[in-house]
Amino acid sequence: DIQMTQSPSAMSASVGDRVTITCRASQGISNSLAWFQQKPGKVPKRLIYSASTLQSGVPSRFSGSGSGIEFTLTISSLQPEDFATYYCLQHNSHPYTFGQGTKLEI
Amino acid sequence: EVQLLESGGDWVQPGGSLRLSCAASGFTFSTYPMSWVRQAPGKGLEWVSGISDSGDGAKYADSVKGRFTISRDNSKNTVFLQMNSLTAEDTAVYYCATRWWLDSWGQGTLVTVSS
Repeated sequence: DIQMTQSPSAMSASVGDRVTITCRASQGISNSLAWFQQKPGKVPKRLIYSASTLQSGVPSRFSGSGSGIEFTLTISSLQPEDFATYYCLQHNSHPYTFGQGTKLEI
Repeated sequence: EVQLLESGGDWVQPGGSLRLSCAASGFTFSTYPMSWVRQAPGKGLEWVSGISDSGDGAKYADSVKGRFTISRDNSKNTVFLQMNSLTAEDTAVYYCATRWWLDSWGQGTLVTVSS
C-alpha cells in the first residue's frame, strides 16, 4: 500500500501569512493527488485535484504543485476562513490513502 | 447540483452488521464510480471502498477487506455498504462520495459499535 506522509501535522499562522503543506508518497503516484479542506463539524471539501488543478469555486490563493513523490499545497495569503484541517489523498493505486492531516490554527 | 444522502447509520454491538445506503441525485449516477470514506471521532479521513460505474469492480481498504461489501443499484441511484463483523474500530462517520477522486460528498451517517 502507498503511504502518504503529510507535514506538518499542525501549525500556527496568522492572517496574511503564506503557508505550505507537504505530502510525500512512499512511491511514485504521478499526479494522482487531491487536497481537501475540512472545518470542524463539516464535510470535507475538495480544493485541488490532479495535484495542481483548482476545483471550481475555490479561491485562487490556494495552489498545488508536485508530481511523483512530493506534493505541496500553498495558501498565498491566509484568510480567517482558511483555518481548518487539510488532507491529501492519493488515488493512483488501490487502496487509496489519505495523509494524516494538517491542522492549521491561528 | 450533486446531492448525496447517506442513511442506515446506527448503534450496533460488536460482531454485528449494518447496511449503509447513499441515495444520489443531480447527476447521471450510472456513469459515476462511487466511494465510501470514514472518519472516526477526532481522527483523520480513511478511504474505505469504491465501486465502478457498472458495479463490476470493487476495491477495499485492508482494514475492511473480507468484512465490508460495496454494491450499487443503478436503477435506484443508490450505492450501499454492507458491513459485517463490526468492531469498535469501525465507529465513525461514513461518507459517500462521487468518483474515485471524491469530488462531491454527502453529509455522512454515524455508525457506533459498542457494547
